[in-house]
Amino acid sequence: QSVLTQPPSASGTPGQRVTISCSGNNSNIGSNYVYWYQQLPGTAPKLLIYRNNQRPSGVPDRFSGSKSGTSASLAISGLRSEDEADYHCAAWDDSLSPFWVFGGGTKLTVL
Amino acid sequence: QITLKESGPTLVKATQTLTLTCTFSGFSLSTRGVGVGWIRQPPGKALEWLALIYWDDDKRYNPSLKSRLTITKDTSKNQVVLTMTNVDPVDTATYYCARSPGYLDLWGRGTLVTVSS
Repeated sequence: QSVLTQPPSASGTPGQRVTISCSGNNSNIGSNYVYWYQQLPGTAPKLLIYRNNQRPSGVPDRFSGSKSGTSASLAISGLRSEDEADYHCAAWDDSLSPFWVFGGGTKLTVL
Repeated sequence: QITLKESGPTLVKATQTLTLTCTFSGFSLSTRGVGVGWIRQPPGKALEWLALIYWDDDKRYNPSLKSRLTITKDTSKNQVVLTMTNVDPVDTATYYCARSPGYLDLWGRGTLVTVSS
């Protein structure tokens, strides 16, 4: 059971816009930045979005992140076949013993 | 260019101690604000953060695994070592190390560790 909640799957057709949600609580998303990772099949996670909505160099602007209260979203516009991957959200949790928490991951299928 | 590479045994027996090494290049763990963390992913399952060590030797652990984990660093060798005691088949996973300049940005390719009963 992951601390952050993501839908297990999402899908879209090429060119579409899809969003993936990530829900937490006041000790994690509600008080800290949210990060998103893309994990292509058989590879390591790659940082996609940092500090809620910032893109590392090289990440296309088709990917965008947002946060509101204790929830966050990743949006992918102009969906492409190569976007088919698992997407994970993460945040620091300010509980008694602070630590990183992840979502369960969302498998995105491009139909 | 920043790289991280995990190494260690591919197979361990239940109750044994697992020792994993992260060897990195392109950055220094003596730089203020920098850390190296470990994350694992059981086959087909979610990511789980394990531990993090900072440039000043501050250490953080996943509360649910803290009693079994130890993280250390050797700045001169550019290495971070994670030990996990009393392993169980549920610890079978791909183990990743990642750089942390405040967040986990660059990851190694990971190493698959299988725990046999």
